[in-house]
Amino acid sequence: EIVMTQAPATLSVSPGERATLSCRASQNVKNNLAWYQQKPGQAPRLLIYGASTRATGIPARFSGSGSGTEYTLTISGLQSEDFAVYYCQQYNNWPPLTFGGGTKVEIK
Amino acid sequence: EVQLLESGGGLVQPGGSLRLSCAVSGFTFSAYAMNWVRQAPGKGLEWVAAIASSGGSTYHADSVKGRFAISRDNSNNTLYLLMSSLKVEDTAVYYCASGSWGWGGSYSDFWGQGTLVTVSS
Repeated sequence: EIVMTQAPATLSVSPGERATLSCRASQNVKNNLAWYQQKPGQAPRLLIYGASTRATGIPARFSGSGSGTEYTLTISGLQSEDFAVYYCQQYNNWPPLTFGGGTKVEIK
Repeated sequence: EVQLLESGGGLVQPGGSLRLSCAVSGFTFSAYAMNWVRQAPGKGLEWVAAIASSGGSTYHADSVKGRFAISRDNSNNTLYLLMSSLKVEDTAVYYCASGSWGWGGSYSDFWGQGTLVTVSS
């Protein structure tokens, strides 16, 4: 099973600043990596797939990068609606599909 | 508009059974694999089970293997999760989520709003 580790667990950022979230896989997932945003009481929302491709309707301030075992989600110019929990997920080696533990982006 | 609407959650005693349903509209349900993903209160996301578009192949997480069974009815665009021998640790919001075209590991474009299952005496 591929273990996904996200860091940090909580990130405090001021509106308008940039947030950088990290996701590490225990094995090479070959860019088969997705990012999701989840707000309280809501279902997860797909942001990024294929490590760097934005899903339909996702603003350009969200960008994904990385390769192998190390991946990054960058949110440029944080807006109030971006404060949420973010999860990475690998889909290269399955079953199981595995998620990281999440990073909470909170207002500083 | 794509919609996934889960139902069937509720309070059940340990050892009991429950069947969740997910009614899908807005995309070609029969062409896509589907997943169940759960989230325990205050915790992260955990994949539970997946089923191929045809229904001919399934996978279940080790934590639920032998107790849960995923199935689908392509004629009615509905996904199911039959849960038996429920444990307290199965308490979670259960989401249905879209999968890949046909079969294979994938991200999930579409998610339902979730249904809460509480296992408690």
